[in-house]
Amino acid sequence: QSVLTQPPSVSGAPRQRVTISCSGSRPNVGNNAVNWYQQVPGKAPKLLIYDDDVQPSGVSDRFSGFKSGTSASLAISGLQSEDEADYYCAAWDDSLSGPVFGGGTKLTVL
Amino acid sequence: QITLKESGPTLVKPSQTLTLTCTFSGFSLYSGGVAVGWIRQPPGKALEWLALVSWDDDKRYSPSLKNRLTVTRDTSKNQVVLTMSDMDPVDTATYYCAHAPTIFDPRGYYDLYFDFWGQGTLVTVSS
Repeated sequence: QSVLTQPPSVSGAPRQRVTISCSGSRPNVGNNAVNWYQQVPGKAPKLLIYDDDVQPSGVSDRFSGFKSGTSASLAISGLQSEDEADYYCAAWDDSLSGPVFGGGTKLTVL
Repeated sequence: QITLKESGPTLVKPSQTLTLTCTFSGFSLYSGGVAVGWIRQPPGKALEWLALVSWDDDKRYSPSLKNRLTVTRDTSKNQVVLTMSDMDPVDTATYYCAHAPTIFDPRGYYDLYFDFWGQGTLVTVSS
């Protein structure tokens, strides 16, 4: 069982907006920055968001991150078929002295 | 351009020790704040962080695997080596190494993230 809790799956139609939640606690999400990764099957994860809400260069602005207290979320607007992938949140955990990942959320574009 | 590549055996027997090498380019592990991490992913399962070695040779390990893991760096070769002892079939996974440009934000919180990843290497544990 992951330290960070994500819904196993979400879905949305093309051009819609979906959000993926990430629930943690004070030692991780509450105290430290949250990051988001996208993983297409068979490929390495790709960084989407760091420092709660910062997009790396080259990442589409359709992806945005939010955090409030011990919960974070990733929003994907204007859904495209290419967005079908697994999404993971992560954050440093003060109690474990290392990063922890969420269990992952599979996004299906209907 | 930052690149990383994992190498090592694809098959190990139970109880053996796994040694994986991450060969990187495009950055120096002497650069302040930089780190290299190891993350694994069992087939069909989530990502799991294993170990981290920083620019100042600080090393961190997953508490659940700490007794089995060792991470070392060879800055002259631009390599980071991970060893995992007493391998078991449940350790079958794709193992990734990844670059972290920073660990701690001057504003007073940890901001560790992995911005470049290797392609991963699948390690199967079976007799």
